[in-house]
Amino acid sequence: EIVLTQSPGTLSLSPGERATLSCRASQSVSSNYLAWYQQNPGQAPRLLIYGASSRATGIPDRFSGSGSGTDFTLTISRLEPEDFAVYYCHQYGSSPLTFGGGTKVEIK
Amino acid sequence: EVQLVESGGGLVQPGGSLRLSCAASGFTFSSYWMSWVRQAPGKGLEWVANIKEDGSEKYHVDSVKGRFTISRDNAKNSLYLQMNSLRAEDTAVYYCARGGYSYGYWGQGTLVTVSS
Repeated sequence: EIVLTQSPGTLSLSPGERATLSCRASQSVSSNYLAWYQQNPGQAPRLLIYGASSRATGIPDRFSGSGSGTDFTLTISRLEPEDFAVYYCHQYGSSPLTFGGGTKVEIK
Repeated sequence: EVQLVESGGGLVQPGGSLRLSCAASGFTFSSYWMSWVRQAPGKGLEWVANIKEDGSEKYHVDSVKGRFTISRDNAKNSLYLQMNSLRAEDTAVYYCARGGYSYGYWGQGTLVTVSS
């Protein structure tokens, strides 16, 4: 099973700042099948990035994904008020599919 | 508009059973893998099971194998999760999601609480 470790656990930033979230896999993620989701309290997750770097439909270009192998990054170039949420990475290259523990981006 | 609407959650005693349903609309249901993902209260996400377009392939996470079964009825545009021998650790919001691997659409979730 591929274990995904997200860091930091909590990121305290101000609107307009840049956010960099990390996701490290315990072994290489096949074909860079790595996705990122955003979740607000009481809501379902929303797909942001798939294939490590492809933005999902309707996702603003301030969100970008990068990385390969075992190290992946989600970057939010300039935080908007609606971006303060929890973010999860997810590998779907091998079974069982697994999620990281999440990074909470909170307002400083 | 793609819609996924889960139902069937509730309070059940340990060892009991529940059947979750997910009604799909706004897309050709029979053309997509479908999945169940759960989230325990205050915790992260966990993939539970997925099923191929025609139901010929099904996969379950080890912790539910032999207890949960995913199925679908393409004529009714519906996805199901039969949950037997429920345990306290199965308490979670269960989401239906379109796709077998990454999930572009999710339902609102249905809460399953396993408690005596």
